[in-house]
Amino acid sequence: SQKIEQNSEALNIQEGKTATLTCNYTNYSPAYLQWYRQDPGRGPVFLLLIRENEKEKRKERLKVTFDTTLKQSLFHITASQPADSATYLCALEEPTGGGNKLTFGTGTQLKVEL
Amino acid sequence: DGGITQSPKYLFRKEGQNVTLSCEQNLNHDAMYWYRQDPGQGLRLIYYSQIVNDFQKGDIAEGYSVSREKKESFPLTVTSAQKNPTAFYLCASSIRNYNEQFFGPGTRLTVL
Repeated sequence: SQKIEQNSEALNIQEGKTATLTCNYTNYSPAYLQWYRQDPGRGPVFLLLIRENEKEKRKERLKVTFDTTLKQSLFHITASQPADSATYLCALEEPTGGGNKLTFGTGTQLKVEL
Repeated sequence: DGGITQSPKYLFRKEGQNVTLSCEQNLNHDAMYWYRQDPGQGLRLIYYSQIVNDFQKGDIAEGYSVSREKKESFPLTVTSAQKNPTAFYLCASSIRNYNEQFFGPGTRLTVL
């Protein structure tokens, strides 16, 4: 099965800087990869999806890259704000022959300080 | 408003009792999922269902059971066979063969 690694240590950055979170996987390259945001005590919220044939995807201040050679995805938040503080989860598709079964990483906690 | 709901938000049960967690969605999604989240760990898939009257085991199905009699509903029963049931349980749904999953607010189960 797929093993996913995200930085377990919290990432602390100053407001206005760019936050970069890493997601590494070890086995097969998935057809797509997703990023979710999770606030304490709440369910994750979908942010972005990137497919294996896409190098980069953007949405407002968010940018995701996907390097199938390195088996890595990077998630960037530019001009970060304290409201961006949350845990960010990376999720990879598992082939099931139908549907979209996902395997989630443990997440990286981001803290944006004033 | 369209969405996915879980109830209750907090649930306490005595050891040895079965308990059923509710999950309802009005998004007209075919696929539904149950995950378990423990502190410092990622979401782990318990069961998923891609269509009514059909469901498959996830990575940690032992001690759990589900049913999918209606498209809108996917209840999860935590049985007494589950050795460590205290956790945060999350239900999600998605359009079949699409990718984004929509999550409910979660139920925090504590077994005393």
